[in-house]
Amino acid sequence: DIQMTQSPSSLSASIGDRVTITCRASQYIDTYLNWYQQEPGKAPKVLIYAASSLQSGVPSRFSGSGSGTEFTLTISSLQAEDFATYYCQQSYTTPLTFGPGTKVEIK
Amino acid sequence: QVQLQQSGPGLVKTSQTLSLTCSVSGGSTSSAAYYWNWIRQHPGKGLEWLGRIYFSGATNYNPSLKSRVAISLDTSKNQFSLKLTSVTAADTAVYFCARDRAGGLDAWGQGTLVTVSS
Repeated sequence: DIQMTQSPSSLSASIGDRVTITCRASQYIDTYLNWYQQEPGKAPKVLIYAASSLQSGVPSRFSGSGSGTEFTLTISSLQAEDFATYYCQQSYTTPLTFGPGTKVEIK
Repeated sequence: QVQLQQSGPGLVKTSQTLSLTCSVSGGSTSSAAYYWNWIRQHPGKGLEWLGRIYFSGATNYNPSLKSRVAISLDTSKNQFSLKLTSVTAADTAVYFCARDRAGGLDAWGQGTLVTVSS
């Protein structure tokens, strides 16, 4: 199985801050990397697919980059509704695997 | 706008079979563009992919579940189902169905908390 890791596991930030989350794959996955946002008690929502493509309807303050084994999700200016947990997921091969998550909290 | 609606019991007895169904509206399970997935989330934990099915009936499963999991498709009802056999307390989780369009899991069911108890 491809193991996904994320850093940090949690962070505290203020409204308006720039936030970057890193995701690493245990082996090469090209750009088969997706990012999700999950609010408590809700299903995850895809933000970025194929490493850098913005899902329709997702605000442009979210962006993704990377290829191979290292990827980043950036929120350019954190908004109140962005406080949530973020997961990366590889879709290069089955079993599909997710990172452990990064919880973004209010400072 | 595709919608996925989950149904099934929230309580299953130890050693029995967990069964959930995901009904799709606003989209077709007969489409070659998508895979139909099941994912679960243990309380307070991360996401675990269980398996998926394609319109052809082809399936992929997480080896960690060995032979306990089965996903089936009923295109006439536009729904797909999960069966997990021989459940234990370790299978207590929120179960989600989701659509995969080879660009991420872009539509999700509402989630079903399934508790396994004797």
